[in-house]
Amino acid sequence: EIVLTQSPGTLSLSPGERATLSCRASQSVNSRYLGWYQQRPGQAPRLLLSGTSNRATGVPDRFSGSGSGTDFTLTISRLEPEDFAVYYCQQYGSSPYTFGQGTRLEIK
Amino acid sequence: EVQLLESGGGLVHPGGSLRLSCAASGFIFSSFAMSWVRQAPGKGLEWVSTFTGGAGDTHYADSVKGRFTISRDTSKNTLYLQMNSLRAEDTAVYYCAKISAWYEGAFDYWGQGTLVTVSS
Repeated sequence: EIVLTQSPGTLSLSPGERATLSCRASQSVNSRYLGWYQQRPGQAPRLLLSGTSNRATGVPDRFSGSGSGTDFTLTISRLEPEDFAVYYCQQYGSSPYTFGQGTRLEIK
Repeated sequence: EVQLLESGGGLVHPGGSLRLSCAASGFIFSSFAMSWVRQAPGKGLEWVSTFTGGAGDTHYADSVKGRFTISRDTSKNTLYLQMNSLRAEDTAVYYCAKISAWYEGAFDYWGQGTLVTVSS
């Protein structure tokens, strides 16, 4: 099983700042099979990025992804109020299709 | 427009059974893999099971293997999760998710979830 560890657990920033979220895998992940999801309180998760860096339909270009092997990053260039949420990475190339434990992005 | 609507959640005693349904629309149901993902209260996301497109392979998390069964009815565009021998730790919101490919891919659309509570 591929274990995904996200850091930090909680990130406190202000609107307009840049956010950098990390996802580290216990073994190499094919970058085609790494995704990021956003979950706002009381809502279902929403796909943000697939294949490490490909934005899903309707996702603003302030969201970007990078990485390879065991280290992946989600970057939000300038935080908007609606971006404060929980973010999960997931690998979907090897069953079980594991999620990271999440990073909570909160308003400072 | 892709829509996924879960139903079938509720309160069940430990050891009991429940069947969840996910009615899908807006895409060719048989051509895409589908999954169930759960989220215990205040916790993160946990992948539960996947039914692939085409012939339909099935995959399960170790935590539910042997107790849960995923299936689909392409004539009704509906995904199911039969849950037997339920435990308190199965208490969660269960989400149905469409996968972006016929076998492995990102979970590109999600339902709103159905709550399962296992308690005496």
